[in-house]
Amino acid sequence: GEDVEQSLFLSVREGDSSVINCTYTDSSSTYLYWYKQEPGAGLQLLTYIFSNMDMKQDQRLTVLLNKKDKHLSLRIADTQTGDSAIYFCAENQGAGGFQKLVFGTGTRLLVSP
Amino acid sequence: EPEVTQTPSHQVTQMGQEVILRCVPISNHLYFYWYRQILGQKVEFLVSFYNNEISEKSEIFDDQFSVERPDGSNFTLKIRSTKLEDSAMYFCAILGTPQETQYFGPGTRLLVL
Repeated sequence: GEDVEQSLFLSVREGDSSVINCTYTDSSSTYLYWYKQEPGAGLQLLTYIFSNMDMKQDQRLTVLLNKKDKHLSLRIADTQTGDSAIYFCAENQGAGGFQKLVFGTGTRLLVSP
Repeated sequence: EPEVTQTPSHQVTQMGQEVILRCVPISNHLYFYWYRQILGQKVEFLVSFYNNEISEKSEIFDDQFSVERPDGSNFTLKIRSTKLEDSAMYFCAILGTPQETQYFGPGTRLLVL
């Protein structure tokens, strides 16, 4: 089957903006998500976007959605060292509770001081 | 954000042994999910559970796996006869609000020797 694709690694300096990209597979996905995973920890829901939206902003986070190209991005403004983690995009397949999340391969963000 | 706890946080077992992983949502939920993440890989869907029945399962979820909600609160994943390749992080998730968002527990790290 097709995979949800992400670049593997991104390195930025503290204070810069980070942009993490994702290409998803299911054009019928109603929601798309970004999760953050710190080392040895669980998955923290960062933000999500409904598929009929182009953009969503939530404090330092901006999500852009290009439904035609099935492309999703997460921009983190003023990146901090505490933002260093693995970021997963995910699409939902199915509806309501009868859904499953299909995750991307994850992008490891490294923020240097 | 809904809270989910998982026990144990770590488990080491011998190949062929049975393990039971537990998920405890803080409040009542109807939809539950199990995912796993093999070290260094992406998060994979295992099974979804609603109203005391499996609603969907992946190819990974073979006859060695089972789920149940024995006391109306805990949600368990049982692996009957563990294999080396079952070593992974296992995450439980519940459906939150809005209704299309899944919130994950901290995970159980399973090591099969």
